Amino acid sequence: KAGVTQTPRYLIKTRGQQVTLSCSPISGHRSVSWYQQTPGQGLQFLFEYFSETQRNKGNFPGRFSGRQFSNSRSEMNVSTLELGDSALYLCASSWGQGAYNEQFFGPGTRLTVL
Amino acid sequence: AQSVTQLGSHVSVSEGALVLLRCNYSSSVPPYLFWYVQYPNQGLQLLLKYTSAATLVKGINGFEAEFKKSETSFHLTKPSAHMSDAAEYFCAVSEQGGSNYKLTFGKGTLLTVNP
Repeated sequence: KAGVTQTPRYLIKTRGQQVTLSCSPISGHRSVSWYQQTPGQGLQFLFEYFSETQRNKGNFPGRFSGRQFSNSRSEMNVSTLELGDSALYLCASSWGQGAYNEQFFGPGTRLTVL
Repeated sequence: AQSVTQLGSHVSVSEGALVLLRCNYSSSVPPYLFWYVQYPNQGLQLLLKYTSAATLVKGINGFEAEFKKSETSFHLTKPSAHMSDAAEYFCAVSEQGGSNYKLTFGKGTLLTVNP
C-alpha cells in the first residue's frame, strides 16, 4: 500500500506570493492533518480534516487555509508569504476519528521564502 | 492545555549502550502518548503509542516506553543502541475522549550514536 505522498517536495517562493501544497493520504484514510516544522518552533499543528470537514485548527493566522476533497486528498494554501513561513510542512493521514489512531506522515514539502 | 517536555535536545551514546530519551507531559485529562522518529529529509514514523492499556509499551526496532502517571512521564528506552538509531525523536500527546485530535509535540531529541 502506498504511503502518504506530498507534492511538491521542494518549493521556493518570494515574499508576498501564495503557495498551494498537496497531500494524498493512504488509500482508505479519511483524516488528514497538517503540521509545520521549523527549527525554532518545532512541530506545530495547523489543521485537521475528516470527510471534507475541518474539525480542528491550530493557532495560525488566516493566511493559512486548507481543504479536503471527496477522495480525501487535501491541499493547504498560504497567502501573502512571509519569511517566517519557511518551514517543512508535513501531512499526516489516519484511518478514522479518534486520537488513538496512528497518524502516518508523508515526507513533507520544504518551503523556502526569499 | 497539553504540553510535552523533552529533557535534552541532544543525547549522545556509544554503540551498544543504553538509550534513554526523556519525556514529561502535562495534560488535564488522561492522554494518549506517542513516540515518533524522524530520519533526515523524511517524515515522522511512529515507534510506539500508549492508549491506556499496558503501561509498558513495546514498539518497533527494539524500543519501549513506560507510562508513569505519578511522574507524568513516558520515557523511551532501548537496551543496546545501533548506528541506525541515529535520528531525531519526538514525544507527542493527544487528548483522550475529546474532539481535539491534534498531536502536541515536544521539541525533539537528536540522538547521536558513536562507534
